[in-house]
Amino acid sequence: GQNIDQPTEMTATEGAIVQINCTYQTSGFNGLFWYQQHAGEAPTFLSYNVLDGLEEKGRFSSFLSRSKGYSYLLLKELQMKDSASYLCAAMDSNYQLIWGAGTKLIIKP
Amino acid sequence: IAGITQAPTSQILAAGRRMTLRCTQDMRHNAMYWYRQDLGLGLRLIHYSNTAGTTGKGEVPDGYSVSRANTDDFPLTLASAVPSQTSVYFCASSGSGTPTDTQYFGPGTRLTVL
Repeated sequence: GQNIDQPTEMTATEGAIVQINCTYQTSGFNGLFWYQQHAGEAPTFLSYNVLDGLEEKGRFSSFLSRSKGYSYLLLKELQMKDSASYLCAAMDSNYQLIWGAGTKLIIKP
Repeated sequence: IAGITQAPTSQILAAGRRMTLRCTQDMRHNAMYWYRQDLGLGLRLIHYSNTAGTTGKGEVPDGYSVSRANTDDFPLTLASAVPSQTSVYFCASSGSGTPTDTQYFGPGTRLTVL
């Protein structure tokens, strides 16, 4: 079956760096998405990786290893506003997104 | 309107009632989607539409129907609501026709079925 695994919750300190991991198993693969979702709000797009390697976008970076079925989202210089859930989603061979349950990131001062 | 709007914002519904959740986008996106989000689970696709006039079933389509009469609107109907349909419903759209296009989400509808 198709499956996405990511940690349920993580805690980090303001100003620090945190890495949120995601492993996936899908029927075919057409890329890996990361979204941010603040409590009570809609998910918003952060990144898309389809090739192996690291994509950097400001304080956020996303990494993909297709051979390992693995991705991570790296958040640097954490700010209180980064407290949110981070959703990992893999696109399967039918171009449908398979979503993880999300990682709730708690930032402490 | 800018982006995607959904209505109502929230609703409490008696079991057995019919309910239509509305979704409108003004980005001229070809594809539209309906998801439900439940605590502890990932977003699950209910139905989708790749272009006006076509629809398809997602992972959890039972008890739901959709239509896509035009590009902008994609309503989701619960014919006879049941308590297990209590959830937050998100509508999304994606743009230029490339299947890997980013999906943009509406603000959601929180539905409670009693």
